[in-house]
Amino acid sequence: GNSVTQMEGPVTLSEEAFLTINCTYTATGYPSLFWYVQYPGEGLQLLLKATKADDKGSNKGFEATYRKETTSFHLEKGSVQVSDSAVYFCALSASANTGNQFYFGTGTSLTVIP
Amino acid sequence: DTGVSQDPRHKITKRGQNVTFRCDPISEHNRLYWYRQTLGQGPEFLTYFQNEAQLEKSRLLSDRFSAERPKGSFSTLEIQRTEQGDSAMYLCASSLAGAGVEQYFGPGTRLTVT
Repeated sequence: GNSVTQMEGPVTLSEEAFLTINCTYTATGYPSLFWYVQYPGEGLQLLLKATKADDKGSNKGFEATYRKETTSFHLEKGSVQVSDSAVYFCALSASANTGNQFYFGTGTSLTVIP
Repeated sequence: DTGVSQDPRHKITKRGQNVTFRCDPISEHNRLYWYRQTLGQGPEFLTYFQNEAQLEKSRLLSDRFSAERPKGSFSTLEIQRTEQGDSAMYLCASSLAGAGVEQYFGPGTRLTVT
């Protein structure tokens, strides 16, 4: 089946610290992988995506590389800011499913302190 | 780009009552999805439409739930005889058809069943 396992939080970091949020997946077929972010009081927003193995998605200083050999899509940022405080969700869309519905991890809450 | 909108944003109802939620997708998107999100969890797929056709329903979608997308534009999700376990955030998303395509999420409708 399809599932996403995400690093449990909450995570608290000081400003300018390095961030890694782990995400691993199981999937039928060849999935596309996504990171979504949910800021307080707002809806889910796409942060980045990768659609095939070895692709790197990047946006706003965040990066994640699609690693087929380790079935992982870890999110990284070199220097976090207070404004990055949010909940981060890893998700996959499996091509074997005609509807391409998403399977989400449980989310990781990040708090960045000044 | 007006984004995905949902109405109402909040709904409080008594157990046993019926409720209906509305979702207006991004106008050029032919796919529309409904998800449910409970506290501390990621969104879980409920159902999706391609144009006006409902093509897949999750096992989470009990007989008390029904969704429609009558003209391939907006969609409604109705819950009959609500139960306390129905309390959750109901999310709508839309996308173009195709593998690896991102979904755009609305702000959600928070349902509280008392």
